[in-house]
Amino acid sequence: NAGVTQTPKFQVLKTGQSMTLQCAQDMNHNSMYWYRQDPGMGLRLIYYSASEGTTDKGEVPNGYNVSRLNKREFSLRLESAAPSQTSVYFCASSRTGGPSYEQYFGPGTRLTVT
Amino acid sequence: DQQVKQNSPSLSVQEGRISILNCDYTNSMFDYFLWYKKYPAEGPTFLISISSIKDKNEDGRFTVFLNKSAKHLSLHIVPSQPGDSAVYFCAASAGTNAGKSTFGDGTTLTVKP
Repeated sequence: NAGVTQTPKFQVLKTGQSMTLQCAQDMNHNSMYWYRQDPGMGLRLIYYSASEGTTDKGEVPNGYNVSRLNKREFSLRLESAAPSQTSVYFCASSRTGGPSYEQYFGPGTRLTVT
Repeated sequence: DQQVKQNSPSLSVQEGRISILNCDYTNSMFDYFLWYKKYPAEGPTFLISISSIKDKNEDGRFTVFLNKSAKHLSLHIVPSQPGDSAVYFCAASAGTNAGKSTFGDGTTLTVKP
């Protein structure tokens, strides 16, 4: 039982390049999330998917797109990377409908855009 | 407008003493609150939660208190251990979107041996 896995762990991009961050969970969770964490700040929600086939914008969606490929997988795409997107990206998953709503996080992807 | 605030960026306590981490929120629709713990280079891990129908929830050394009228919650760790040194995030959720949480900026706890 791997929980939430993310690839890659580290990535360096040049401004304007594109890339896709991959996330998968094996806990049969309906909901999945993408966050970014900048130094000294909390987790800010980029996009989330309440269930397979649905996606919604979070607090900071600009410059990103997502795909909920199936129940297990939720990918985040940067079409044209900018230095402001240098951050640590976390994927998470959770049950829907309670009784508890804690999220399970992956280990993160550290992205640097030069 | 930050809806979940952790006003203390850092806290240092002696091993064996109590650690108290605080969190304030502004959105009265929040009805489920969680604490997460994060070690460097790892993802956050769930620690403890509380529903708005309760004012206290306890799990071993960890207790969360909720004061709805003050829109304030706190996490108590007793006794504190060096392994508790980490960043602690407070998070809040609302109603049917309970899985979707808003996070505070975190408090870095250092427990000195």
